[in-house]
Amino acid sequence: AQKITQTQPGMFVQEKEAVTLDCTYDTSDPSYGLFWYKQPSSGEMIFLIYQGSYDQQNATEGRYSLNFQKARKSANLVISASQLGDSAMYFCAMTERSNSQGGSEKLVFGKGTKLTVNP
Amino acid sequence: DTGVSQDPRHKITKRGQNVTFRCDPISEHNRLYWYRQTLGQGPEFLTYFQNEAQLEKSRLLSDRFSAERPKGSFSTLEIQRTEQGDSAMYLCASSLRTALNTEAFFGQGTRLTVV
Repeated sequence: AQKITQTQPGMFVQEKEAVTLDCTYDTSDPSYGLFWYKQPSSGEMIFLIYQGSYDQQNATEGRYSLNFQKARKSANLVISASQLGDSAMYFCAMTERSNSQGGSEKLVFGKGTKLTVNP
Repeated sequence: DTGVSQDPRHKITKRGQNVTFRCDPISEHNRLYWYRQTLGQGPEFLTYFQNEAQLEKSRLLSDRFSAERPKGSFSTLEIQRTEQGDSAMYLCASSLRTALNTEAFFGQGTRLTVV
């Protein structure tokens, strides 16, 4: 079964600086997707960025980039120019294909990293 | 398109009572998921619908839990005879599978407290 590991329970960064949130994964499936979600205190999971296992280039979305190192099975999130509004929980997740009819491709999440941006 | 909406946002119930949550997915999305998130953890998969068919259930979904998605539109999650261990955030997500990815859009969740 797939597994996501986020080893940083909490991270602190100064406003306007860059920060890297770590994520390692374990899977035997050659085809998979990796996601990062942001969860502010309101509870909603906000999609940030996606990386497919066969993508040749690292994904980027505005201030977010994903440092994908397939051989190391890592998918770290880099947030550039941190803003106060970036303070939230960040979850790394990957799709897990099921053998059931229809193939749910449900997400398996890590435990998350709490990011605090200091002014 | 107003995104995925969940109702209620918060629910406090006494142990032993039944509760029902509703999820309205993004209208064109045929896939709908329920997840449960306890304090300090990431969301955990509960169940999955493709249109109106419930195709997968987690072992976390005990027989006190039931989910439906009539007509492939909104979905309900019912918990019977609630226990304190059911206290959690219940998240609904929907997606439309494309050739490239299966990005899931989440609602704001229903926070259940069983007292």
